[in-house]
Amino acid sequence: AQSVTQLDSQVPVFEEAPVELRCNYSSSVSVYLFWYVQYPNQGLQLLLKYLSGSTLVKSINGFEAEFNKSQTSFHLRKPSVHISDTAEYFCAVRGGFGNTGKLIFGQGTTLQVKP
Amino acid sequence: DTGVSQDPRHKITKRGQNVTFRCDPISEHNRLYWYRQTLGQGPEFLTYFQNEAQLEKSRLLSNRFSAERPKGSFSTLEIQRTEQGDSAMYLCASSGGTGDPYEQYFGPGTRLTVT
Repeated sequence: AQSVTQLDSQVPVFEEAPVELRCNYSSSVSVYLFWYVQYPNQGLQLLLKYLSGSTLVKSINGFEAEFNKSQTSFHLRKPSVHISDTAEYFCAVRGGFGNTGKLIFGQGTTLQVKP
Repeated sequence: DTGVSQDPRHKITKRGQNVTFRCDPISEHNRLYWYRQTLGQGPEFLTYFQNEAQLEKSRLLSNRFSAERPKGSFSTLEIQRTEQGDSAMYLCASSGGTGDPYEQYFGPGTRLTVT
């Protein structure tokens, strides 16, 4: 069985400070990993994903995540956050090739960016 | 395409009543997923359709829940004899077609409140 643990339920941070949202996963098969973001009153949107290849993946708005197989982690980082980054962030895992594609989500981390 | 749509956006019902939700996926997408999200938790997988075939159901989906996708386009999720524990946000997602096969596009959700 696969599972995802997000280690922090809330992360308060001041604007322009760096942030890391932690995610650990458990799986007996190869996985694809995702970060989704949910802005207030909006639906879930894909932020970035790891499928294979380079272990460092980046989004268009400055976030990056690194796949660490030995530590079974996929932490999300941003060197300088903006007020507009305030949102709920979900880490998710999907089984490898051939899987139905269902996602297993973590509990979510609320990122609160303060001025 | 306007994305994944869900109807209604909000539903308040009394315990014991039946409710039905509708999801219209992105038109070219052959894969459709239903998830349930309770307060403070990440989405939990309920069921998956590839075209009109329901290929996977979660153990969370009790016999009071049924889902259909009759012509491989829109889908419905019905809950019979609702219970207070059914109160949650019900999310629909779709993927496939010519787009990124690994990205699921989520609808805005239907929030169910059982009184």
